[in-house]
Amino acid sequence: KAGVTQTPRYLIKTRGQQVTLSCSPISGHRSVSWYQQTPGQGLQFLFEYFSETQRNKGNFPGRFSGRQFSNSRSEMNVSTLELGDSALYLCASSLLRDANEQFFGPGTRLTVL
Amino acid sequence: AQSVAQPEDQVNVAEGNPLTVKCTYSVSGNPYLFWYVQYPNRGLQFLLKYITGDNLVKGSYGFEAEFNKSQTSFHLKKPSALVSDSALYFCAVRDITNAGKSTFGDGTTLTVKP
Repeated sequence: KAGVTQTPRYLIKTRGQQVTLSCSPISGHRSVSWYQQTPGQGLQFLFEYFSETQRNKGNFPGRFSGRQFSNSRSEMNVSTLELGDSALYLCASSLLRDANEQFFGPGTRLTVL
Repeated sequence: AQSVAQPEDQVNVAEGNPLTVKCTYSVSGNPYLFWYVQYPNRGLQFLLKYITGDNLVKGSYGFEAEFNKSQTSFHLKKPSALVSDSALYFCAVRDITNAGKSTFGDGTTLTVKP
């Protein structure tokens, strides 16, 4: 079974631009979560989608948004990029419920110049 | 609010010795607890979880963890460490009353020396 895939793997943007990251979960998984990983802040929860609905979100500004499609694929968008948005963005999928473990993708490395 | 604390940034052990990586948590309701491992240049991998039932759970690669409700802890353990266990370990919690949100600890770097 194919794992979680994320595209692109690397991105370089400049301040003020916007970016869209994509995540394809494992087939059959309906929950997709997004995280920001930085050396200083660890793994920070961005949001979680289940059956196209955002169930929960972390403490990030409104510049960070996401959505989930009917096939469970998810996208994350960051508008008006700031230098501090440079990070590894991880997507994770899980089968159904909160008791299920998450499977992580390799991440998208975003660099904002 | 839910939170996780991994009090040690770094744990060093000798190969063959037992290892413990500590984790404490705080939730409003009942917790679902998880351990994940991140090897260099590789993604996070699931190790084990506690949902309900037996307080001692066993996972991949010989790891186990003990859920202690009174101490709100979920420490990761292994009886005999291997050099290949060297990695970054994350504890995570989900609160069953806060659907969809996972909170991760800051991670503990485990170094096993030959």
